[in-house]
Order: sequence, then structure tokens, then C-alpha cells
Amino acid sequence: AQSVTQLDSQVPVFEEAPVELRCNYSSSVSVYLFWYVQYPNQGLQLLLKYLSGSTLVKGINGFEAEFNKSQTSFHLRKPSVHISDTAEYFCAVSDMDSSYKLIFGSGTRLLVRP
Amino acid sequence: KAGVTQTPRYLIKTRGQQVTLSCSPISGHRSVSWYQQTPGQGLQFLFEYFSETQRNKGNFPGRFSGRQFSNSRSEMNVSTLELGDSALYLCASSSGQGTIGAFFGQGTRLTVV
Repeated sequence: AQSVTQLDSQVPVFEEAPVELRCNYSSSVSVYLFWYVQYPNQGLQLLLKYLSGSTLVKGINGFEAEFNKSQTSFHLRKPSVHISDTAEYFCAVSDMDSSYKLIFGSGTRLLVRP
Repeated sequence: KAGVTQTPRYLIKTRGQQVTLSCSPISGHRSVSWYQQTPGQGLQFLFEYFSETQRNKGNFPGRFSGRQFSNSRSEMNVSTLELGDSALYLCASSSGQGTIGAFFGQGTRLTVV
């Protein structure tokens, strides 16, 4: 069984500052890794995903994430955040062999202050 | 290309009633998955349908059921509603690549009073 841990429930940051949202996972099998963003009263939008290959993955809106197999981590980063990045961010994993469902972390609320 | 459409967006029901939610996937997508999002339990997988067959099911009671039609549209039904069923229900569609190519809808906010 897989599990995902997002240790930070909320991350406050000033506009134009860098940010890192942490994600650690546990799995006995190989997994795909995802980051989603959710704006208030909206669905989930895919930011980026790691399937294989390069461990540094670039996504939309200037976000990137690095897969670290030894530390079972997939942290999300952005060098300079905007007010519009204020949202809930979810890390998720999916079993590579039977990728029919996503296992989500509890989410991290990114609060960007002016 | 239209995205995943969920209807209705908001719903208020009374405890004990039943409810049906609808999801129209992206054109050409044959897989539809449903998730429940609550403040306490977070995002949890309900079930997945592919070509009108339920392929996978999460750990939810039998009150939660679904179906998929020949045009890939899916419905989710919850019978004998409980207060704890209040949640955002999200639908995701995929072309058959599973979670790799999944796109989510806006969700249906169900409130049980």
C-alpha cells in the first residue's frame, strides 16, 4: 500500500519569495508522482508529474519538482511566487503497475502575502 | 476541446434521501474515476469505470454506487444520505492510461442537512 505525507499544512510566504512544498511517500512498489493545485471551489489541476527519466520535472506556472528515490521525496518548488499562487497543493502517488487510482496527501495551503 | 463536466455544481439534500451526481468526461475518454474530498478524510478514491464496467472500487460502503453509460458519461449515486456524506465529489476522466492522463472536473459540492 502507498501513503503520502505532506508535513506542512500551511506555508505562508511573501510575494516574489521562493517556496518549497514538501512531499514524502511510502510504497513497496514503483510509483508515479504528481502535484495538483486546487483553487477555492474548484477541481484539481495537474501542475506536473514524474513518470520516469529525469528526476527534475518542470510543470506549469513556473513550478518544478525533484524526485529523490533514496529519500522517497518529491518536493515542489517555485523560485518566485505570486499572489495568484495562493491555493491548496496536493501531492499524489499512483502504483505504476495498476495506475487506476491516486493516493493523495493531506494538502498544503500556500498563502502568498503582498 | 471541452473539459470534464460535473453537474450539478452544488446540491443540498436531507439526511436519509438519495442523490445522483453526473460526470461527462472529455470526448474520447473511456475511463471515469470518482473521488470524495472532505476536510477530515481528505481526497479518497471511490471507484473507477471503463467501458461501462466498474474495474476498481475504494473502501466505501455499499450506499455508494455508480454506473457508466455507452457514451462514457458516468453517474454516482449515494443512498440513505448521512451528514458525513457532505463533501466535494470529484470526477476524473482518462483516455485509458489511468492516472497518467487524468483530468479532473470542477466537482459537485454536496451538503447533507
